[in-house]
Amino acid sequence: EVQLVESGGGLVQPGKSLRLSCAASGLNFEDYAIHWVRQTPGKGLEWVSGISWNSDKIIYADSVKGRFTISRDNAKNSLYLEMNSLKTEDTALYYCAQDIAEMCTTPTLHIWGQGTMVTVSS
Amino acid sequence: DIQMTQSPSSLSASVGDRVTITCRATQTISSFLNWYQQKPGQAPKLLISFVSTLQSGVPSRFSGSGFGRDFTLTISSLEVEDFATYYCQQSYTNPYTFGQGTKLE
Repeated sequence: EVQLVESGGGLVQPGKSLRLSCAASGLNFEDYAIHWVRQTPGKGLEWVSGISWNSDKIIYADSVKGRFTISRDNAKNSLYLEMNSLKTEDTALYYCAQDIAEMCTTPTLHIWGQGTMVTVSS
Repeated sequence: DIQMTQSPSSLSASVGDRVTITCRATQTISSFLNWYQQKPGQAPKLLISFVSTLQSGVPSRFSGSGFGRDFTLTISSLEVEDFATYYCQQSYTNPYTFGQGTKLE
């Protein structure tokens, strides 16, 4: 079965850090770009970051640039999102989603995980 | 940033109806437009990529059209399982923005 499973979410104070993980199974993880997308009831769906199949190309939304770091380990079929200096507005359900392409510059997201909830609050 | 505006925000329809959802971008995005379906408690599902390419397993009652700034998603004859929220998304330029969603009810 093809699936992505996110983990690492939780409640964290503003200014603190959190690391999300996304484990892939049943798909050719190493062949495709992969992204993080977040969703809130108020702001809807927001693309956060993407990484190409070989990690050569990495892109971020301006709202997280300089605070979040995306990385992948193809040997472990895993994607990560290191989130630093968290803000209350980072509160969201975070999805990882695999692209249909090797590169991450035209995100077309055809396999999604079920998400992990991040709550930033004091 | 490119803003994606969907209309309507919600739509009341019945099984068998033909439904059209529109998505307008604030600037041209060529054919870099995707459509997703999301049901409560589930992740979004890619229905159509690059305006009109139907994903594997998606019923042929779904279709997409448009170019430049204006795009449409059409469901030719609604089935019970189609009641969901639909989102458009531009994949043309960073930040890769989504529409606010159209809830079909």
